[in-house]
Amino acid sequence: SQTIHQWPATLVQPVGSPLSLECTVEGTSNPNLYWYRQAAGRGLQLLFYSVGIGQISSEVPQNLSASRPQDRQFILSSKKLLLSDSGFYLCAWSVFPGNYGYTFGSGTRLTVV
Amino acid sequence: GESVGLHLPTLSVQEGDNSIINCAYSNSASDYFIWYKQESGKGPQFIIDIRSNMDKRQGQRVTVLLNKTVKHLSLQIAATQPGDSAVYFCAETHSGGGADGLTFGKGTHLIIQP
Repeated sequence: SQTIHQWPATLVQPVGSPLSLECTVEGTSNPNLYWYRQAAGRGLQLLFYSVGIGQISSEVPQNLSASRPQDRQFILSSKKLLLSDSGFYLCAWSVFPGNYGYTFGSGTRLTVV
Repeated sequence: GESVGLHLPTLSVQEGDNSIINCAYSNSASDYFIWYKQESGKGPQFIIDIRSNMDKRQGQRVTVLLNKTVKHLSLQIAATQPGDSAVYFCAETHSGGGADGLTFGKGTHLIIQP
């Protein structure tokens, strides 16, 4: 069966420090991969999605970037964190093609101080 | 998409009662819909999905109804239990429209009263 792993679960970083969040998927090949952000008590905002290695689409301009160095690995990064980058970050995957079966990871709670 | 919403509406029901959570969507091209349950501090958990060629789909204690005419989706939970307390999100996507993600509803906070 397919599983999705996301780490770390929580992270406290100072303003101006770099960020690297990692997500890996097992049990499937060539998935669509996504990064979402969720502010407290709110819905989910799509940040990036990827349909293949090295292919990244950005949904909103921001201080973050994403990379997909391997088929089942998706990384969210920042060179210098801002206070406004605090939030709950979620990785997800879906079946390609068809976009079915969206499954989310357990999330990373990022607090920028 | 409607991904960053206002404060969540709340639905409070008695334990053992049935609950109905509603969701409206706007994209006529959407053909795949999912309901998620999110507990505090956790990622959204897939509950049930439905494709646009169906009006109703049942799972264990849950039923999803789709009305394409008025672009309305509902989630019915039978005999609610304390563990059903969570935020519930509906989501829509167009399966043939590329991998550009789901569009989420604002979410509803379901509270189960003992």
